[in-house]
Amino acid sequence: SQKIEQNSEALNIQEGKTATLTCNYTNYSPAYLQWYRQDPGRGPVFLLLIRENEKEKRKERLKVTFDTTLKQSLFHITASQPADSATYLCALDSARNSGNTPLVFGKGTRLSVIA
Amino acid sequence: NAGVTQTPKFQVLKTGQSMTLQCAQDMNHEYMSWYRQDPGMGLRLIHYSVGAGITDQGEVPNGYNVSRSTTEDFPLRLLSAAPSQTSVYFCASSSGIHNSPLHFGNGTRLTVT
Repeated sequence: SQKIEQNSEALNIQEGKTATLTCNYTNYSPAYLQWYRQDPGRGPVFLLLIRENEKEKRKERLKVTFDTTLKQSLFHITASQPADSATYLCALDSARNSGNTPLVFGKGTRLSVIA
Repeated sequence: NAGVTQTPKFQVLKTGQSMTLQCAQDMNHEYMSWYRQDPGMGLRLIHYSVGAGITDQGEVPNGYNVSRSTTEDFPLRLLSAAPSQTSVYFCASSSGIHNSPLHFGNGTRLTVT
């Protein structure tokens, strides 16, 4: 069956350290993968998109990798701050190049950055 | 720009009642979708639309109806509410189906008693 798994339901790290979140998928062949941030009581907000032919994407303190062999994406936040505390969701296209196919989401990882 | 606007923010229904969750976007996006978010289940797609007059079912469509008469609006109808439909509902839009980030509203928290 098809699965998207974000390995940790919750992750606690010290301020200033690098947070690494994992997204693994099974029985999908996504052409791209997206990461979102969700704060309590709010809708998810788009952060980064990485395509299958891109190994790595960066935006300020954020870095995403995409390994189609391992079927895994890693999301890194360097020099983490308490304001980075939120739930992070990965999402991928559920049927490769098949036309009108929407995003499927993982369950998310709740990150807490402790000062 | 308001982005994606959902109303109401909160709603309590009794079992068997019907209601419509409203969603409007002002970004001229062709693609719109409805998700529900439950603890431990993540975001699950209910229905989506790739343009006015076109809708399709997602992963969990039963008990919900949608229509898309304009580009801007994508209402979600609960025909006969059930306690299993207690959830937070999110509407999202994007400029296209592929490679396009979703813009989410801030959700409607629905409780069915």
